Amino acid sequence: DIQMTQSPSSLSASVGDRVTITCRASQSISTYLNWYEQKPGKAPKLLIYAASSLQSGVPSRFSGSGSGTDFTLTISSLQPEDFATYYCQQSYNTPWTFGQGTKVEIK
Amino acid sequence: EVQLVESGGGLVKPGGSLRLSCAASGFTFSTYNMNWVRQAPGKGLEWVSSISSSSGYIYYADSVRGRFTISRDNAKNSLYLQMNSLRAEDTAVYYCAGFYGGNSVSYFDLWGRGTLVTVSS
Repeated sequence: DIQMTQSPSSLSASVGDRVTITCRASQSISTYLNWYEQKPGKAPKLLIYAASSLQSGVPSRFSGSGSGTDFTLTISSLQPEDFATYYCQQSYNTPWTFGQGTKVEIK
Repeated sequence: EVQLVESGGGLVKPGGSLRLSCAASGFTFSTYNMNWVRQAPGKGLEWVSSISSSSGYIYYADSVRGRFTISRDNAKNSLYLQMNSLRAEDTAVYYCAGFYGGNSVSYFDLWGRGTLVTVSS
């Protein structure tokens, strides 16, 4: 199974800050890497697919990069509605696996 | 409007069974690969099972293989998860999720609101 490791597990940031979350795969997954946002009591929401493609309707302050084993999700200017937990997920092969999540909290 | 609505969750004793359903609307269900993804209380996301659009391919996580069975009825736009021999560690919110697979891309782009399964005596 491919293990996905996110860092940090949590972070505190202020509105307007630039936030970066990293995700590392235990083996190369090309660009089969997706990012999701989840708010408390809600279902996950797709933000970025194929490492760097922005899902329709997602604000342009979200961006993704990387290939192989190392990936990054960046929020260029954190907004109040962005306080949530973010998950990476590999779609290279089954079992589909997720990172443990990164909780973004208000500073 | 795309909708996935799960039902069938509840409280069940260890060793018991439960059948989850997911009703789909607003998209062409018969062309979508479908999945169950779960989330234990306060924990992260765990993929449980996948079924291809025509039921030709079925996959399970090791943690549920032999106990859970995924199925679908395209005529009814419905996805199912039969859960047997339930354990305390199966306690979670179970999400029905649509998985898009295209030209070198694949991702979960459709999600239901989830149904809570609690396994406890």
